[in-house]
Amino acid sequence: DVKVTQSSRYLVKRTGEKVFLECVQDMDHENMFWYRQDPGLGLRLIYFSYDVKMKEKGDIPEGYSVSREKKERFSLILESASTNQTSMYLCASSLGGEGNQPQHFGDGTRLSIL
Amino acid sequence: GQNIDQPTEMTATEGAIVQINCTYQTSGFNGLFWYQQHAGEAPTFLSYNVLDGLEEKGRFSSFLSRSKGYSYLLLKELQMKDSASYLCAVRDEGYGGATNKLIFGTGTLLAVQP
Repeated sequence: DVKVTQSSRYLVKRTGEKVFLECVQDMDHENMFWYRQDPGLGLRLIYFSYDVKMKEKGDIPEGYSVSREKKERFSLILESASTNQTSMYLCASSLGGEGNQPQHFGDGTRLSIL
Repeated sequence: GQNIDQPTEMTATEGAIVQINCTYQTSGFNGLFWYQQHAGEAPTFLSYNVLDGLEEKGRFSSFLSRSKGYSYLLLKELQMKDSASYLCAVRDEGYGGATNKLIFGTGTLLAVQP
């Protein structure tokens, strides 16, 4: 089974802090994704990566950056946390290429910015 | 623009059949996914459709009509454990299929009652 592991289930930080969310997958997947999930808005894509050191902006990249130095690890960085970044953050990974390659999700990090 | 519509909530009775609809208007289309998400847990992959027609997988079936921009998820012999959110997601064609980027609907919260 694919395992996507997020470093924390719950995290509380203060406004202005730099916050790191870590995600590791164990299936040698090419693609990795960061989403946030908010009530009534669904899953929104922040950033994704299709290869080591490669990154692409999703729909809501403002206030975030990412890092993918190794294939199995994809980090989300909140440069200066703000209260409107309080949310559930979900990491996902998938195989590359065409076809029915589903994304596999981690359990999520519920981040609160005070 | 990209738009995926699902009903916000549905209620059904244990043992019954329920159909969850999804309509989409997207700039590209390279397949449609259904995910199940229990409260506080990660979304898990249920089904994939890329050609018109019905795909059956046990108690769950999914249907696609590309000309109508329409899909539904059919759940038979409902069980209490089927109470969850069901997410419809369209695979974007924007990057030549290389990245498996998904656009998610806001999800349908299904409550199964005894």
